Amino acid sequence: NAGVMQNPRHLVRRRGQEARLRCSPMKGHSHVYWYRQLPEEGLKFMVYLQKENIIDESGMPKERFSAEFPKEGPSILRIQQVVRGDSAAYFCASSEPSSYNEQFFGPGTRLTVL
Amino acid sequence: AQRVTQPEKLLSVFKGAPVELKCNYSYSGSPELFWYVQYSRQRLQLLLRHISRESIKGFTADLNKGETSFHLKKPFAQEEDSAMYYCALGGSNYKLTFGKGTLLTVNP
Repeated sequence: NAGVMQNPRHLVRRRGQEARLRCSPMKGHSHVYWYRQLPEEGLKFMVYLQKENIIDESGMPKERFSAEFPKEGPSILRIQQVVRGDSAAYFCASSEPSSYNEQFFGPGTRLTVL
Repeated sequence: AQRVTQPEKLLSVFKGAPVELKCNYSYSGSPELFWYVQYSRQRLQLLLRHISRESIKGFTADLNKGETSFHLKKPFAQEEDSAMYYCALGGSNYKLTFGKGTLLTVNP
């Protein structure tokens, strides 16, 4: 089992561009969580998705951020019109349906906004 | 509100010395506590969860509800223990709340 996969590992964008971060959960996991880690901070919950459903997006900024987990393919975290403050490490985690507290993490995507 | 405090940003010990990484939490419900570890250039890995009460790589952690603490301990540190350690709190839902982490350095 390859574990949770995220790509790209590093992403550089200029202000105003769009960033797309991808996450493939572990085999057999249908629940995906996105966390953001700002410099010198702990990971902070952003959104929780199941296949084709957003369950909880209470940690997502209201504007410019969106997430999806389609029936086929990876989960996508999309940030439109990026600003310097979006520079952070974005981690995806996945779990089995019955074990939401046992989350397995991907290696993260480090986004740098110039 | 859920909150996790790791008071030490950096902790440096010598090989063979005991190590304790502190974690305090704030939560009104029944907490579920975890320790995650991130070795250099690797992903975050679950090290311990309090409900399993097991020892992994020589590390143990006991949940103290009276002191709202979940400190991570190891009696004899090894160089390969050098890593970033995060304490995390889960409760009745799926949102894990992380502390800011403690960077442990074990010197030879």
